Amino acid sequence: LAKTTQPISMDSYEGQEVNITCSHNNIATNDYITWYQQFPSQGPRFIIQGYKTKVTNEVASLFIPADRKSSTLSLPRVSLSDTAVYYCLGKTDSWGKLQFGAGTQVVVTP
Amino acid sequence: DVKVTQSSRYLVKRTGEKVFLECVQDMDHENMFWYRQDPGLGLRLIYFSYDVKMKEKGDIPEGYSVSREKKERFSLILESASTNQTSMYLCASSQVVGYTFGSGTRLTVV
Repeated sequence: LAKTTQPISMDSYEGQEVNITCSHNNIATNDYITWYQQFPSQGPRFIIQGYKTKVTNEVASLFIPADRKSSTLSLPRVSLSDTAVYYCLGKTDSWGKLQFGAGTQVVVTP
Repeated sequence: DVKVTQSSRYLVKRTGEKVFLECVQDMDHENMFWYRQDPGLGLRLIYFSYDVKMKEKGDIPEGYSVSREKKERFSLILESASTNQTSMYLCASSQVVGYTFGSGTRLTVV
């Protein structure tokens, strides 16, 4: 399984852009890179997924370089409600089973 | 809106009791999963199922069993609850990639 490494925590102010980089050195050719967001006392919520280059949706952007050994989740102009734990997952096996790492705690302050 | 519904939000049970945690999804997904989440340990996979009446052990199946009699319902069973099974339990479903999680059941075993 691909091991992912991401920072334990990040602090930001409202209105700033937050970039969380995840490394996944042994990602397999068929693996997608998926990010989830989790608020306290709730289940994780799917944010974005990509295979290579750049993916953007209404919530975030995902940048994946050509070698795919890392990815960066970009949250534009964060608000207090973006305070959450963000998980990078670099592996889904044949059954769609995900292995969650420790995640990055993002704290947004006024 | 698609949903994964867990029957109880909070549950308190006594040591030695048999406990049933129910999960229902309305997305006709093939795959369903049970995780537990504990501070400092992240999300750990207990069991998963990729079809009706099929089940596979995850990373920490000891003390648990599961039942999937219908496609939409996946039950987690604690045969004899113990205090070390006090945790947040999360159910999820997926079709290929990308999970939808329930809101979780916070189980306390006293």
